[in-house]
Amino acid sequence: QSALTQPPSASGSPGQSVTISCTGTSSDLGSYNSVSWYQQHPGKAPKLMIYEVTKRPSGVPDRFSGSKSGNTASLTVSGLQTEDEADYYCSSYAGSNNLVFGTGTKVTV
Amino acid sequence: QVQLQESGPGLVKASETLSLTCSVSGYSISSGYQWGWIRQSPGRGLDWIAIIYHSGSTYNPSLKSRVTISMDRSRNQFSLNLTSVTAADTAVYFCARLGSIWHYYFDSWGQGNLVTVSS
Repeated sequence: QSALTQPPSASGSPGQSVTISCTGTSSDLGSYNSVSWYQQHPGKAPKLMIYEVTKRPSGVPDRFSGSKSGNTASLTVSGLQTEDEADYYCSSYAGSNNLVFGTGTKVTV
Repeated sequence: QVQLQESGPGLVKASETLSLTCSVSGYSISSGYQWGWIRQSPGRGLDWIAIIYHSGSTYNPSLKSRVTISMDRSRNQFSLNLTSVTAADTAVYFCARLGSIWHYYFDSWGQGNLVTVSS
């Protein structure tokens, strides 16, 4: 199972928006509405930011939004804040009780 | 609010077995949900290792031959055993709760346990 492909880095100024892509295949990301996104600050555990493509857990700001088209999912962070600077990972169910994570994207604000 | 805490040795010798335990508080693991292990090698991304359900378990195919996940409901804990470790198994190991068996996302995580494999 190959990792989902994410750009290594993305950046934006405070107040701007940044969009991170996550590309899989028709066997994983393209077949399921089971994409999730995690934020990870250095030395910390990942934190769930988006699940089931577009849903936000309680407490996650609505500046974070998710979408999917075909084999590619996207995470958009609007109104960037300094605390949004972190690594972001996507993940998708891949069938047969299997899942796959993305390669990760470092967001710089 | 559920909390998870990993425990186990920080150093394991090559060819030996890595054993970690995740203690869960604020929620009874017997009440539902599924539980899993994920690892992150230094400077690298996340890899899922195993997930345990109430009726069984599933493993990352790349690790399946060396991994066992188990649950101790009486202690509200679940555990990971990884046999025949090599330097490639050096990583931070996280335990987590699977938020949905249908959509496979982890909604609560432990802080992580760094395990270094020494030769």
